[in-house]
Order: sequence, then C-alpha cells, then structure tokens
Amino acid sequence: GENVEQHPSTLSVQEGDSAVIKCTYSDSASNYFPWYKQELGKRPQLIIDIRSNVGEKKDQRIAVTLNKTAKHFSLHITETQPEDSAVYFCAATPGANNLFFGTGTRLTVIP
Amino acid sequence: NAGVTQTPKFRVLKTGQSMTLLCAQDMNHEYMYWYRQDPGMGLRLIHYSVGEGTTAKGEVPDGYNVSRLKKQNFLLGLESAAPSQTSVYFCASSPDRGDEKLFFGSGTQLSVL
Repeated sequence: GENVEQHPSTLSVQEGDSAVIKCTYSDSASNYFPWYKQELGKRPQLIIDIRSNVGEKKDQRIAVTLNKTAKHFSLHITETQPEDSAVYFCAATPGANNLFFGTGTRLTVIP
Repeated sequence: NAGVTQTPKFRVLKTGQSMTLLCAQDMNHEYMYWYRQDPGMGLRLIHYSVGEGTTAKGEVPDGYNVSRLKKQNFLLGLESAAPSQTSVYFCASSPDRGDEKLFFGSGTQLSVL
C-alpha cells in the first residue's frame, strides 16, 4: 500500500510568520492529496486538497504545492495566527477512496 | 443535518470484553470508514464500506469486525478487547467514488485495561 511520510513532527512559528509542512508518498499512482486540520480534542477537518493534474492550489492564507516527479507535496500557511495552532495531517490515495495519512505535524503559533 | 455521529464518546473495557461502536450519517453518503488514531501514528484505516451490505479491510483490520446493514450506519465490533486496542476511534463518510472528502465523527476514546 501507499506510504506517506510527513515532516516536521512539531513546528513552532511566531505569529505573522509562514509555516511549511512537507509530505512524501511512495505510490506513483496516487492522484489525490488532501490536508486535514485537527484542533485539540476535535475531529479532523479538510482544509485544502489538490489533484495530480494541478501543481498548486491556494485558498486565502493556505496553499498546497505538488511535485509528482519527486512524489512530494507541501502545505504553506502564510501570516500565521494563533487559531492556526493545531495538528495537520497530509494524506494520499491511489484511488478507491482509501486515504493513507501521514503521522501529523503539531503547529504552534506563538503570539 | 447532524453529519456523522458516533456513540459512545468514551468507554473503558477490561481485557477480553466485547463492545460495538456505532456510526451514523445523515448525508446519504455511499462510503463509510473506521479509523484509529494513536499518538505519533496518524490515522490508520481499520475497515471501510463502499455501500450498503459491503465491507472491506483496511491497513489494520485484525481484532475488529464491521457491518453495514443500513446505508446510514456502520458498526465497528471488538470481540475480545486487548490493551493494544486502546485508541481514539474515528468514523468518517464520503459521498461516493471520486469524491474523497472525508467527514469525520467526533471520535470515541476507548481504553482497554
């Protein structure tokens, strides 16, 4: 099956700075790459996703980039705010709606 | 719409006991999933269903069984609980094949002593 690796496991940034989280995947057939945010004690929620026919996608302060050749994708958060503090998970799927998740990144935004 | 609802929210079991976790969704989604979340290991798929009456194994299916007798419900059973099954369990659903966005329930914290 697919293997998704995520780095770093923890990340601290000053409010207003940018944060970048990186993931690599192993299965070249993977074609869908979502990012989920999980606040403390809450359920994961989708924040952005990208498909393999697109190299970059933006939604206000968040963006995702995909490099299919290198099999890696990244989440970029600009102008970070305290409410961005959470655990972020990347995922990949080669189809059949089976998502394989990374191990998560705990982001702390310091006011 | 309540979305995805899980019961119970918390449970403590003794080794060898059995229990069933219930997941219900009111969004008419075809696909339903059970994940477990352990510290440092992300979300791992236990079992999933692509429609009423169907089930399939995920990454970590051993020690669990599932049933999907009705489209809106997906049950996860532990026949003989083990301490290694202490975890947070999340149910999720997605609309259909090709729409992979997951809608998660609020989770069940299970402790096996």
